[in-house]
Amino acid sequence: DAGVIQSPRHEVTEMGQEVTLRCKPISGHDYLFWYRQTMMRGLELLIYFNNNVPIDDSGMPEDRFSAKMPNASFSTLKIQPSEPRDSAVYFCASTETSGRSGANVLTFGAGSRLTVL
Amino acid sequence: GEDVEQSLFLSVREGDSSVINCTYTDSSSTYLYWYKQEPGAGLQLLTYIFSNMDMKQDQRLTVLLNKKDKHLSLRIADTQTGDSAIYFCAEKDGNTGKLIFGQGTTLQVKP
Repeated sequence: DAGVIQSPRHEVTEMGQEVTLRCKPISGHDYLFWYRQTMMRGLELLIYFNNNVPIDDSGMPEDRFSAKMPNASFSTLKIQPSEPRDSAVYFCASTETSGRSGANVLTFGAGSRLTVL
Repeated sequence: GEDVEQSLFLSVREGDSSVINCTYTDSSSTYLYWYKQEPGAGLQLLTYIFSNMDMKQDQRLTVLLNKKDKHLSLRIADTQTGDSAIYFCAEKDGNTGKLIFGQGTTLQVKP
């Protein structure tokens, strides 16, 4: 398996523009997570899906952020309109179901580095 | 809410042992993890430990868990320059199943 695939790896955009980040999880994994990493706040969980259904989006910073998972092999994180404070590395991760009693071994993608000018 | 804390920076000499420490607050944690992040890459799982264990060893890595004090440590024996990275501690919330990550400890290995 090629692992978790994210695109683009780097994105530079201007304030106010729409940004779409993409993720392809590992085949067979039924959980998908979006994280954001910044120097100031560390690694923050934004949202996660189980079987394509959003389970917890309490980490999504505001209405400018939205995430979708139209099928088991694809997810998007959209920011509209983008702002300079959204500059961060956004990670997608996936795992197989293990319930609350098993070890959730997350496999992370390489990340999408977003710079909003 | 649940919290995981780590020191931000550790510097060691090549060949020495490194010990990275982590504390957590959630008494219902079921699993605790160590992830490694190299520059420009995503996080990669190093090892994990079930909460009813107090030690796990895997080659140069030793994980110690003190559940009473909610303290987790990662010891890297014979630290190499290739071990330079950010190390994240994480705990699995026993109620929600979510992973809560610490801020990460940057390990610098000097030749």
